[in-house]
Amino acid sequence: ETGVTQSPTHLIKTRGQQVTLRCSSQSGHNTVSWYQQALGQGPQFIFQYYREEENGRGNFPPRFSGLQFPNYSSELNVNALELDDSALYLCASSWGDRAYGYTFGSGTRLTVV
Amino acid sequence: AQKITQTQPGMFVQEKEAVTLDCTYDTSDPSYGLFWYKQPSSGEMIFLIYQGSYDQQNATEGRYSLNFQKARKSANLVISASQLGDSAMYFCAMRGPNTGGFKTIFGAGTRLFVKA
Repeated sequence: ETGVTQSPTHLIKTRGQQVTLRCSSQSGHNTVSWYQQALGQGPQFIFQYYREEENGRGNFPPRFSGLQFPNYSSELNVNALELDDSALYLCASSWGDRAYGYTFGSGTRLTVV
Repeated sequence: AQKITQTQPGMFVQEKEAVTLDCTYDTSDPSYGLFWYKQPSSGEMIFLIYQGSYDQQNATEGRYSLNFQKARKSANLVISASQLGDSAMYFCAMRGPNTGGFKTIFGAGTRLFVKA
């Protein structure tokens, strides 16, 4: 069984630009959640998708948006990038809203200059 | 509001010795789950162990055990027989209905250094 794959692994963008990060969930998983991890901090929940619908959101502004596709892969879009958006973005997948054992990807390191 | 506190920014342990990583949590909800994750330098979060709030016994997974003290709201991770490969960041996390039902709150993490 394949794990969670994220692309790209690293990305450099200019302030004000838009970015799309991608996540392929683990085989058999239908739920995807996204986290932002700033340097030296724990991950912060952005939002979760279950069967192509957003079903949970953290304290992030609307310029953070997402999609989940019929094959359960997912995208995270960030508009009007700010310097503080520089972080590691982690995607995690699971089957339903499991109480334990989310499978995380290795993340996308976004740098905004 | 839910909160996870990890008070040890960094810990050192000698190879083959045991180490305890501290975690306290705050929640008013009776039903919740507690987790520990390991994050090596590669960035991937690796699930280690889970404890449900209604579980009577402490969780164990190989060399990992969770010392769950519900009244004190603590969920410390114990790693026995430390190995050099255990050097990494360790995050305590909590999941429960009051968090919105579908998100996990993480602590700030503890960086563990295993010395040869």
